[in-house]
Amino acid sequence: ETGVTQSPTHLIKTRGQQVTLRCSSQSGHNTVSWYQQALGQGPQFIFQYYREEENGRGNFPPRFSGLQFPNYSSELNVNALELDDSALYLCASSFGPEYTEAFFGQGTRLTVV
Amino acid sequence: KQEVTQIPAALSVPEGENLVLNCSFTDSAIYNLQWFRQDPGKGLTSLLLIQSSQREQTSGRLNASLDKSSGRSTLYIAASQPGDSATYLCAVRPGDSNYQLIWGAGTKLIIKP
Repeated sequence: ETGVTQSPTHLIKTRGQQVTLRCSSQSGHNTVSWYQQALGQGPQFIFQYYREEENGRGNFPPRFSGLQFPNYSSELNVNALELDDSALYLCASSFGPEYTEAFFGQGTRLTVV
Repeated sequence: KQEVTQIPAALSVPEGENLVLNCSFTDSAIYNLQWFRQDPGKGLTSLLLIQSSQREQTSGRLNASLDKSSGRSTLYIAASQPGDSATYLCAVRPGDSNYQLIWGAGTKLIIKP
């Protein structure tokens, strides 16, 4: 059974650029959620995808968007990067959008300069 | 609006001690609560999941309790070891938006050899 994997592990981008982060869900899981974690804080929910549809969204602007593919892997896209977007981006997968245990990847560290 | 608080923010104890980490939440209408461990700059490792109908869960030296009516959960670590040093975070899945996890800021634990 493979766990949740994220790529890349580290990324440096310039303000105003666009970035795509990727997540492969754990085998058998059909739900992917994305979180942003600033240094020293708990993660903040960005959005969730369940069976290729957005199933819920946190308080993030529209320049944060996502996709889920038929194999349940997912992408997080961020346009017009700002310095405050620098954070650890975490992907979690689960079987079903609620109730069940969430398993996380190792995260992607994004630095915006 | 659900809020999650973890006290203390940091804790340093000698090896071998039993210790308790605290998590409190403001709205008792939750589906479940999950405890995680995070090593520096890394992703999140799920430790224990407690469903709202449960009072406690155990895994090895870890025991987590849940008291929904008082909005509290505790994580008990028995016979602490230096390898337990990490940040411990709790997260609740709220009843009115069960697609997301609401997080505390974590307790940074240092176990001194």
